[in-house]
Amino acid sequence: DIQMTQSPSSLSASVGDRVTITCRASQSISSYLIWYQQKPGKAPKLLIYGASSLQSGVPSRFSGSGSGTDFTLTISSLQPEDFATYYCQQSYGTPHTFGQGTKLEIK
Amino acid sequence: EVQLVQSGAEVKKPGESLKISCKGSGYSFSSYWIGWVRQMPGKGLEWMGIIYFGDSDTRYSPSFQGQVTISADKSISTAYLQWSSLKASDTAMYYCATYTSGYAGGFDYWGQGTLVTVSS
Repeated sequence: DIQMTQSPSSLSASVGDRVTITCRASQSISSYLIWYQQKPGKAPKLLIYGASSLQSGVPSRFSGSGSGTDFTLTISSLQPEDFATYYCQQSYGTPHTFGQGTKLEIK
Repeated sequence: EVQLVQSGAEVKKPGESLKISCKGSGYSFSSYWIGWVRQMPGKGLEWMGIIYFGDSDTRYSPSFQGQVTISADKSISTAYLQWSSLKASDTAMYYCATYTSGYAGGFDYWGQGTLVTVSS
């Protein structure tokens, strides 16, 4: 299986901050990297696919970058609704493993 | 509009069997993969497996192979997740989700989740 490791596991930030979350794959996954946002009690929501393509309807303050093994999700200016847990997922090879998640909390 | 509607919450005893469902609407199910994701209480997302509606090709995570069965009935656009003998450790929220743009596009549509509680 391809292992996905996110860092940090948790993060405290303030509204307006720029935040970066990192995801590292145990082997090259090209650009088969997806980012999701999950709020408590809700199903995950797709934010970014193909490492850097913004899903329709997702605010432009979200961006993704990277290829191969190292990827980042950046939120340029945190809004109150962005406090949630973020997961990366690789879809290069089955099983399409998820990272362990990054919980973004209000400072 | 694409929608995935899952069956309701279940409370079961250890050793019992269970089959939960995920019904799709709003697109041609037969052309897409649909998958199942487990989320144990307070934990992260775990990819369980996927099935292609067109030919029922199924891929399992090694962690779930032999523990669950994924199936589908394309005539009613419904996917299923089944256990033959539940354990307390199967207590979790289970989500179905679909890759309508192929693997690279990620799970772009999700069901609302089915909470399965296994307790004696």
